[in-house]
Amino acid sequence: GAGVSQSPSNKVTEKGKDVELRCDPISGHTALYWYRQSLGQGLEFLIYFQGNSAPDKSGLPSDRFSAERTGGSVSTLTIQRTQQEDSAVYLCASSLEVLDEQYFGPGTRLTVT
Amino acid sequence: DAKTTQPNSMESNEEEPVHLPCNHSTISGTDYIHWYRQLPSQGPEYVIHGLTSNVNNRMASLAIAEDRKSSTLILHRATLRDAAVYYCILRGWTSGSRLTFGEGTQLTVNP
Repeated sequence: GAGVSQSPSNKVTEKGKDVELRCDPISGHTALYWYRQSLGQGLEFLIYFQGNSAPDKSGLPSDRFSAERTGGSVSTLTIQRTQQEDSAVYLCASSLEVLDEQYFGPGTRLTVT
Repeated sequence: DAKTTQPNSMESNEEEPVHLPCNHSTISGTDYIHWYRQLPSQGPEYVIHGLTSNVNNRMASLAIAEDRKSSTLILHRATLRDAAVYYCILRGWTSGSRLTFGEGTQLTVNP
């Protein structure tokens, strides 16, 4: 069956530009998560959506980062005025319910030059 | 957040069993023990989870100590495809729904 998909798979952008990363979760999954993994670093939680509840934004590193989830399905992570330290692989995951196992997408590799 | 401690790396030979340890001495009574793995250039993949009793699935077995302060992920016959970073993660209502990844254990499988 269809898993979590993310687009684009790779994105190269210039410092200062805005970028949008997209995540299509598994159909019917109520929870959606964004993580990022910098080169040689561990996975870092960014934001979490659960149903119609207010998202948990506690992992967002700065106010340049925002995310939305429309219609309880597709999510977009937006990074404004990108910086070189934003270069990382951005991973999206979804789960059927909170605390169920999370299914990860292949990630978007973001390079800020 | 309750923390886990894992060895940085382990090696195994193909078709031999692998025992990956995890210490979690500050685990709370409601925390589940989850294992994920990340193959090279891929997103993490769920492996198994348990609360108190040992668990088996098609991928692995999870052995949980009686005091729950440690656990062991068991791959019964390692294959080259099992070479990955393995993460032991505690999840529960107090730790929240996010996955908090530590350093994990880099497993190398020798042919």
